[in-house]
Amino acid sequence: AQSVSQHNHHVILSEAASLELGCNYSYGGTVNLFWYVQYPGQHLQLLLKYFSGDPLVKGIKGFEAEFIKSKFSFNLRKPSVQWSDTAEYFCAFTGNAGNMLTFGGGTRLMVKP
Amino acid sequence: EAQVTQNPRYLITVTGKKLTVTCSQNMNHEYMSWYRQDPGLGLRQIYYSMNVEVTDKGDVPEGYKVSRKEKRNFPLILESPSPNQTSLYFCASSWTGNQPQHFGDGTRLSIL
Repeated sequence: AQSVSQHNHHVILSEAASLELGCNYSYGGTVNLFWYVQYPGQHLQLLLKYFSGDPLVKGIKGFEAEFIKSKFSFNLRKPSVQWSDTAEYFCAFTGNAGNMLTFGGGTRLMVKP
Repeated sequence: EAQVTQNPRYLITVTGKKLTVTCSQNMNHEYMSWYRQDPGLGLRQIYYSMNVEVTDKGDVPEGYKVSRKEKRNFPLILESPSPNQTSLYFCASSWTGNQPQHFGDGTRLSIL
């Protein structure tokens, strides 16, 4: 069965701190990888995606993620967080068939001003 | 404006009373899907549809039904709701299952 593990359930940072959120997936084939963000009271929005090519992908709002195939990982990074980055972040992927999007449990990020 | 619209946004009801949550998208997407979001569990897929009249089970289909009679609509039906179906539900759509999905604003269901 395919699954996603996000190791950090809650992260608290001060503004300007650097961020790295871990994501590991379990799947035996080719994957398409996503990070979604959910601001308080809102629906999910796409932050960035990886389909193929350069394993370092850049998304909106200064976020980036690196796909490391050997580690089955797709960690999300941002060099300097802002208070407005307070949200829940979800890693997700689809496998070969592309029918099902599997989400991790989410990481709640709180940025203190 | 590209939208996925869910109704109702909030509903409190009682065990066993059939309910339907509607979902409509205006992007002509072929793929649509329903998820439930529970604390610590992320989003789990209930059902998805690759196209009109084509639906399939996701990870947690028990207690739910769907239909896809037209491309734009994908209602979620709870024939006999139970308290363990209290959750936040999201509908989403995309061109294919592999593409980034557009999510609706969510429906918060409370089953008493």
